[in-house]
This record gives sequence, C-alpha cells and structure tokens, in this order.
Amino acid sequence: GAGVSQSPSNKVTEKGKDVELRCDPISGHTALYWYRQSLGQGLEFLIYFQGNSAPDKSGLPSDRFSAERTGGSVSTLTIQRTQQEDSAVYLCASSPQQGSRGNEQFFGPGTRLTVL
Amino acid sequence: GQNIDQPTEMTATEGAIVQINCTYQTSGFNGLFWYQQHAGEAPTFLSYNVLDGLEEKGRFSSFLSRSKGYSYLLLKELQMKDSASYLCAVRDRSGNTGKLIFGQGTTLQVKP
Repeated sequence: GAGVSQSPSNKVTEKGKDVELRCDPISGHTALYWYRQSLGQGLEFLIYFQGNSAPDKSGLPSDRFSAERTGGSVSTLTIQRTQQEDSAVYLCASSPQQGSRGNEQFFGPGTRLTVL
Repeated sequence: GQNIDQPTEMTATEGAIVQINCTYQTSGFNGLFWYQQHAGEAPTFLSYNVLDGLEEKGRFSSFLSRSKGYSYLLLKELQMKDSASYLCAVRDRSGNTGKLIFGQGTTLQVKP
C-alpha cells in the first residue's frame, strides 16, 4: 500500500518484558516521527528521524525507550522492561521533509500496547 | 512552555455548523495543523495555516490569528460521519525538526 504501516496492530505483554514496534514509512519520505497517545491524552512526541539519524530524542520518557532507523526507511521503537504506564497507542508518521511549508505528516494506524 | 488548549467534547446536529477552537502558547511557531481521527484509526490531515486568515477546503475551513495564538476549525453541513476527534497541532520551530505539539483533541458527536 501507499500509506504508513505499523506492526503489530496490537501487542499485549507482561510487565518487565521487552517489546519492539515497527514502522514502515511512505517510500521516499525522509522524515519519520514517533508519537504516543495515552488514554484521554493528546499525542505526545517521542523521537524524530531525518534519514537514519535522530537529531531529536527529547520526547523519549526514559532510557528504557530507544529507536533506530535503517536504510532511511523502516524504524523500530524498542521499549525495555515494560511498565504498566507504557500502555498506550504508539503512532508513527512520515513526511517528505521536515519543516517545509505545508508538509503534513502522514500517520500510520498505530500499535496498541497493553502492559499487564 | 508548550500549551495547546481545545475543548474536550462538543455536540452538534446533522446539517448544522460547528466551530472548534484552539488556543496555543508555544516557544516557537511554524504552522498549525488540524487532523481528524476516527476511533481506532490514524489521524488524517485536514488543514494547515501558517499565515493569518481563513483557509477554506470544501465543508471545512480553518482560521489562524498568530498575534492571539488562536485558531478554529469550522465544519459546515455536518454529516454523521464527521463524528470523530479533531486534533489541533502546532509545528515546533525549535531545532527545525518539524515535530508537532498536539492538544488533547476535541471529540465531536454529531446527532441526527
């Protein structure tokens, strides 16, 4: 398909386990963003990639969270030693290039993470 | 600090007009976006404003006043399918990352 895809769509895990969430951006989009949407909350920025580098990691809530992007395409968000407060929908978005006028971000359907 | 405020919930009648307001205080400003999000789905782009004034796109219009830190989304001829959450987001200028700062969203319920 032509849109942003994410997998898995749902993930249930036990507290303390590690999880990996995957994002496939739109082909050719150089900018990639991860956001988190907790119940009743707005989307919260986590990390921004331009190509394979992450110049802005300011939104990662703790050192249990990390992300990488390879080949300027697929990105993986890893949460180590998951906690119940990590339960949320994790959304990925891509954009042709950051900062340019009107370049909206295209969002994927998200991964709903539930930590028991 | 960063703060974006919008009403939590609104209700309107099919065929009517509804205005969803958004006020913002951010350390930098590089445009304001409105997204629509149906329950369990991805946010989809509705509109973008970077200059003051009104942008019209079909049944939807968006207005921006940078001096007042204020925007609104206007939905005309409401349809049942317009029941969704509407997200106001400011594109942060700092660091030139293009990241979006979101409000908590306004859940709109359209009634027959």
